[in-house]
Amino acid sequence: GQNIDQPTEMTATEGAIVQINCTYQTSGFNGLFWYQQHAGEAPTFLSYNVLDGLEEKGRFSSFLSRSKGYSYLLLKELQMKDSASYLCAVLDSNYQLIWGAGTKLIIKP
Amino acid sequence: NAGVTQTPKFRVLKTGQSMTLLCAQDMNHEYMYWYRQDPGMGLRLIHYSVGEGTTAKGEVPDGYNVSRLKKQNFLLGLESAAPSQTSVYFCASSVPGEGPHEQFFGPGTRLTVL
Repeated sequence: GQNIDQPTEMTATEGAIVQINCTYQTSGFNGLFWYQQHAGEAPTFLSYNVLDGLEEKGRFSSFLSRSKGYSYLLLKELQMKDSASYLCAVLDSNYQLIWGAGTKLIIKP
Repeated sequence: NAGVTQTPKFRVLKTGQSMTLLCAQDMNHEYMYWYRQDPGMGLRLIHYSVGEGTTAKGEVPDGYNVSRLKKQNFLLGLESAAPSQTSVYFCASSVPGEGPHEQFFGPGTRLTVL
């Protein structure tokens, strides 16, 4: 079966750095997405990786290792507004997104 | 541009009642999707459409039907609602093909079935 694992919840301090991990086992791979979802709102796109390596976009970076079935989202200089759930999703061989359950990130002052 | 809109935002149904959720997008996207999101679980695909007049089943299609008569609209129907269909429903749209074609989501419909 297809499976995406990410931690359920993480806590970090304002101004710090946090890394959210995602491991996946899917039928095929056509890219990995990270989305941010604030409570009660819709998911919004953060990043996309299809090749191994690090993609940097401002305070957010995303890393992919296809051989290990592993990705992480790195958030730097954390702000209170970063408190949200972060969803990892893999585009499988049928070009359908398989979603992880999300990681709830709590930022403390 | 409004992006992706959904109506209604909230709804309470009794078991056995029917309803239709409407999704509209103004980005001229070919692909549209209906998901449900339940606590502790990832988004699960109910049905999707790769173009006007076409629909396909996703991971959890039972109890739902869909129609895509116009490119900009994607309707999700519940013929006989059950408490297990209590959930938050999200519609999304995207362009087709490979690459970083992100899905754009509507604000969601919170449905409770009593």
